[in-house]
Amino acid sequence: AQSVTQPDIHITVSEGASLELRCNYSYGATPYLFWYVQSPGQGLQLLLKYFSGDTLVQGIKGFEAEFKRSQSSFNLRKPSVHWSDAAEYFCAVGAPESGNTPLVFGKGTRLSVIA
Amino acid sequence: GAVVSQHPSRVICKSGTSVKIECRSLDFQATTMFWYRQFPKQSLMLMATSNEGSKATYEQGVEKDKFLINHASLTLSTLTVTSAHPEDSSFYICSARESGGLYTEAFFGQGTRLTVV
Repeated sequence: AQSVTQPDIHITVSEGASLELRCNYSYGATPYLFWYVQSPGQGLQLLLKYFSGDTLVQGIKGFEAEFKRSQSSFNLRKPSVHWSDAAEYFCAVGAPESGNTPLVFGKGTRLSVIA
Repeated sequence: GAVVSQHPSRVICKSGTSVKIECRSLDFQATTMFWYRQFPKQSLMLMATSNEGSKATYEQGVEKDKFLINHASLTLSTLTVTSAHPEDSSFYICSARESGGLYTEAFFGQGTRLTVV
């Protein structure tokens, strides 16, 4: 069964500092991996996705993530955080071979940004 | 990109009444849509998988008679919370992946904040 672990429940960083949010997954083959961001009371916005090819994926808002098969990880990074990045971040895994299966989400990491 | 529209975004209802939430895929067809529930400060929990033209598949612990799902067309799924109670208050989000495609991402609606008073 697929599963996603986000070890950090809450992270606080200073504006302008770098950011890394951790994500580990469990899946039998190469999964389809996503990072979503959710602002309070809002739906989910896709930041980036990976299913094959270059293991370093560029997303929107200056985010990137690196797929490391040996570590079963897909960590999200941003070199310089802005106050508007404060939100909840979810890592998710999906089965690439079927468009009719749901994504499995991690528990999320709440990002706070301080001046 | 593809858009999933969810309506209403916010609803307040009295205990004992029913509430219907709509989820539409605006520019793609979705044989399957997914309904999630999110409690405050928690992750998304899959409630059910909505299948066009057939019965929905519910996750363990989700009451089929309370959360009625109808997927009458390739672009519309509805979730009806019947005889709502305060404990049903939550944030409900629908999702859809494009039918027939591989490596398709999941698009999410804006969510519906349900408050039962």
